[in-house]
Order: sequence, then structure tokens, then C-alpha cells
Amino acid sequence: GAGVSQTPSNKVTEKGKYVELRCDPISGHTALYWYRQSLGQGPEFLIYFQGTGAADDSGLPNDRFFAVRPEGSVSTLKIQRTERGDSAVYLCASSLTLAGVGELFFGEGSRLTVL
Amino acid sequence: KNEVEQSPQNLTAQEGEFITINCSYSVGISALHWLQQHPGGGIVSLFMLSSGKKKHGRLIATINIQEKHSSLHITASHPRDSAVYICAVKYSRGGATNKLIFGTGTLLAVQP
Repeated sequence: GAGVSQTPSNKVTEKGKYVELRCDPISGHTALYWYRQSLGQGPEFLIYFQGTGAADDSGLPNDRFFAVRPEGSVSTLKIQRTERGDSAVYLCASSLTLAGVGELFFGEGSRLTVL
Repeated sequence: KNEVEQSPQNLTAQEGEFITINCSYSVGISALHWLQQHPGGGIVSLFMLSSGKKKHGRLIATINIQEKHSSLHITASHPRDSAVYICAVKYSRGGATNKLIFGTGTLLAVQP
């Protein structure tokens, strides 16, 4: 498709399990962002990539969270030993460039529920 | 104090009214985005501004860099404009980071 694609759209898991969330950005977009949005809140920055490298991962809440983008396209957000507080919608966005001028395109999000 | 603040948090308007949503920020920025989020999640980028004013249809966005303030205006509002409108700013620290900081959003309900 032409937009940012995120899978799964919904994920229900048990506390302590491992979860992977996938983001497929728009083809050619070099910048990719991960955000997390809890109910009633604005999105919260997690990490962004320029190409294959994580340019800023300061928003990752702790070392249970990790994200990769090995070929500079698809990115995977990985959450180990999930906790109930990780429940949120995880949003991915991409833009053509990183240098302050690219319009952002968001995916529909992956809703994670940790029981 | 949040680095990005929006007002009002909630807004109810009658169809046809002129609507203004405000965003104030406290950090140096390279760009400001206005986003629209409908119930059920999907976020759409409405505008990206670094100066001045932009217009798309009934939507107008302005930014005053000196005052660190931006406004989103909706003319001739319609019930389909009902959504959460989010302001997000991109840091400008010598290119060291480009992460976005989001406001908490303004929930707009336009009644017929």
C-alpha cells in the first residue's frame, strides 16, 4: 500500500510475555518514528531512526524496549517481559527527510493490551 | 509544566462556527505540526509550519516563532471536523535531535 502499515493492529498478551510490533514505512522515507499513546493522552516519543541507525532512543522507557531497522525500511519494536503498564497504542510514523522539513505520515497504530 | 501546551482541552461548537485552537511551546523548534486524530486512532498530518501561515481548504494554521505560539483555525465548521487536534513540535538543537514533543490534544465536537 501507499501508506504506513503497522502490524498487528491489535495484540493481547499476558504479563511477562515478549511482543514484537512491526512498522512498514512509506517507500523511500528515510526517517521513522515510534510513539506510544495511552488513553486520553497525546503521543509520547519513543525512538526515531534515520536510515538504519537509531538517531535518538531517549524516549524508550527502559531496557525492556528495543527497536531495530536493519535495512533502513521496516522497523520492529520489541518489548520484553511485558507489564500491564505497557498497554497502549504504539504508533509509527515516517517522513521523507529528517531535517525538519518532511511531512509526517502515521500508521493506524498497534493496540497492545497486557493482561 | 509541559513543553507543549494546547488550549482549550475540550471545545464544543455549533456547525458553521469559526474555531480556534491554540498551541504554546517553550523549546526552540525547527517545525511545528498540526495533526488530526479521529476516534479509533488514525492520525493525519494537517500542516507542518516553520513560519508564517498555511491554508488548506477551511483550515488555516499560523505560527509566531518569536512568541512561541501557533493557532489552528477552522472556518465554517462541520460535524465531520469533530476529532482530536494535536500540536507537535520538533526540536531544533543543531540537528542533534529531531524528536517530536506532542501536546495532549484538543477534543473538538461540532454539533449540527
